[in-house]
Amino acid sequence: DIVMTQSPDSLAVSLGERVTINCKSSQSLLFSSNSKNYVAWYQQKPGQPPKLLIYWASIRESGVPDRFTGSGSGTEFSLTISSLQAEDVAVYFCQQYYVTANTFGQGTRLEIK
Amino acid sequence: QITLKESGPSLVKPTQTLTLTCTFSGFSFDTDEVIVGWIRQAPGKALEWLAAIFWNDSKQYTPSLRSRLTITRDASRNQVFLTMTNMDHVDTATYYCAHRRRRGDNWYPFDYWGQGTLVAVSP
Repeated sequence: DIVMTQSPDSLAVSLGERVTINCKSSQSLLFSSNSKNYVAWYQQKPGQPPKLLIYWASIRESGVPDRFTGSGSGTEFSLTISSLQAEDVAVYFCQQYYVTANTFGQGTRLEIK
Repeated sequence: QITLKESGPSLVKPTQTLTLTCTFSGFSFDTDEVIVGWIRQAPGKALEWLAAIFWNDSKQYTPSLRSRLTITRDASRNQVFLTMTNMDHVDTATYYCAHRRRRGDNWYPFDYWGQGTLVAVSP
């Protein structure tokens, strides 16, 4: 299995501040034939299914606010929220879809300080 | 508009077999290169990918649960089924089905999810 490890497990940030969540994979998720990183980021609010935010490590899904940015390549990836809004309180998961047997990070709980 | 909805029992007893149904709309196995997957989430825990079925009826399972899982489909009814045998209390979780698509040579991640169905395992 490809192991996805997120950091931190939780964080509390003031409104308007910048947030960065990290994700490290146990093997490279860069597919050489198309130069794409098979990493996605999801946002999950209580009682809701995960919502796709970012795919190919840095492509924002349609309708996702541009304060959400994905970056990274190979085995290290990040999700950045440029200016935290109240509605961003959620748990965030990274996911590899490099192989069909996808795996997810353990999640990062984001709260307002 | 793509939608998926999970259904099945909310409570099963230990050792019983769980069967869940995912009923979807907005895409078809007959015309679209898609995957429908099952993912579960124990209360307060991370997401765990379980199984997937492809538009061409290929199937894949998570290795740790392979012996207990079976994924099938009824393409004519737009349904995917997941069977899990020998249920245990550690299998208590919300079970989601979700959609993936392919464009050209590229597979995309799960972009549409059902709301999930909570299954409790208790005597």
